Amino acid sequence: AQSVAQPEDQVNVAEGNPLTVKCTYSVSGNPYLFWYVQYPNRGLQFLLKYITGDNLVKGSYGFEAEFNKSQTSFHLKKPSALVSDSALYFCAVRDYNNAGNMLTFGGGTRLMVKP
Amino acid sequence: KAGVTQTPRYLIKTRGQQVTLSCSPISGHRSVSWYQQTPGQGLQFLFEYFSETQRNKGNFPGRFSGRQFSNSRSEMNVSTLELGDSALYLCASSLVQGRNEQFFGPGTRLTVL
Repeated sequence: AQSVAQPEDQVNVAEGNPLTVKCTYSVSGNPYLFWYVQYPNRGLQFLLKYITGDNLVKGSYGFEAEFNKSQTSFHLKKPSALVSDSALYFCAVRDYNNAGNMLTFGGGTRLMVKP
Repeated sequence: KAGVTQTPRYLIKTRGQQVTLSCSPISGHRSVSWYQQTPGQGLQFLFEYFSETQRNKGNFPGRFSGRQFSNSRSEMNVSTLELGDSALYLCASSLVQGRNEQFFGPGTRLTVL
């Protein structure tokens, strides 16, 4: 079985400050990891993924994430937050040993960036 | 390229009715997955289709079913609707299974009265 935990329901940060949204995962094999963002009344928008290779992954809109196998974490980061980054963020995992594209999502973290 | 489209965007039904939701994937994408999003349960996987075959199924009752057509378009059906089926139903497509990310549609908001 695979699972994802996002320990913070909400993260508050001031505009211009760095932000981190935390994610830990559990899979039986090696993970494929993803971050998605959801704006109100919209579907999920892909930000970045870790498949293999460099532990630091760069994605859209200046976001990056660091894969840490020993800590089974995949935290989302951005050096300087924008008010427009305020949204709901989801971490997701897929075990590459499993056939198909089934993603298991974390519960989501609401990011609030204040001017 | 056009994104994933879902129809209808909003739907209101009453308990006991059935509903069919439609999803058109991005051109060339052969894998279509469905997810249910609710405030209480979050995002939960319903099922995935690839080349008209169901590849995976989530932990949902048999009232939830789906299919995929030869053009990769997919439909999901919920029979005998219950109040708890009220949710945002999201469809996602990807090229093939595996390392490719999934692209999500805007969702269908189903309200069961």
